[in-house]
Amino acid sequence: DAGVTQSPTHLIKTRGQQVTLRCSPKSGHDTVSWYQQALGQGPQFIFQYYEEEERQRGNFPDRFSGHQFPNYSSELNVNALLLGDSALYLCASSHRVGNSPLHFGNGTRLTVT
Amino acid sequence: AQSVTQPDIHITVSEGASLELRCNYSYGATPYLFWYVQSPGQGLQLLLKYFSGDTLVQGIKGFEAEFKRSQSSFNLRKPSVHWSDAAEYFCAVGSSNTGKLIFGQGTTLQVKP
Repeated sequence: DAGVTQSPTHLIKTRGQQVTLRCSPKSGHDTVSWYQQALGQGPQFIFQYYEEEERQRGNFPDRFSGHQFPNYSSELNVNALLLGDSALYLCASSHRVGNSPLHFGNGTRLTVT
Repeated sequence: AQSVTQPDIHITVSEGASLELRCNYSYGATPYLFWYVQSPGQGLQLLLKYFSGDTLVQGIKGFEAEFKRSQSSFNLRKPSVHWSDAAEYFCAVGSSNTGKLIFGQGTTLQVKP
């Protein structure tokens, strides 16, 4: 049973560029959440998707957007990259109904130069 | 304001010694509380969670945590630490099992032989 998978594992971009990160949830899960973890910090909630719609959003600018597909996989898009966007981006999945907690992927390490 | 504080940024213990990692939270609603562990280059693994009921909860890898409502604390403990426990530990709070989580800054655990 595959857990949460994220791609790519590492990415280097230049300031001003755009990036897309991908996440496949754990089998049986229908909800995907994205978190940003800066170096030496705890993860910060970006947003959550369920039924292909953004359901909750953290304190992130509109440059951060997402999408969820019918197969429950998800993408995180960041436009106009800033140096401060360099971080580990974590995807977590869960099932909307039931008592299962979040399952996290290993993350995508984004470096903006 | 909703927040999680982990007062100890870095803790070093000898192998076989006992461990306590502190966590204090500020949350308006009834909290769901979690402890996660993160090894270098990895995602977050759930150690244990508390929703209601018995305030002493058991988790994986021999960890336990105690919820103290009067102190707004959820400290993590282990009676005897193993070298493989060296990692980053995060306390988190949320309003549900699967929604937005607020994480602390993390505590880095180093284990001396």
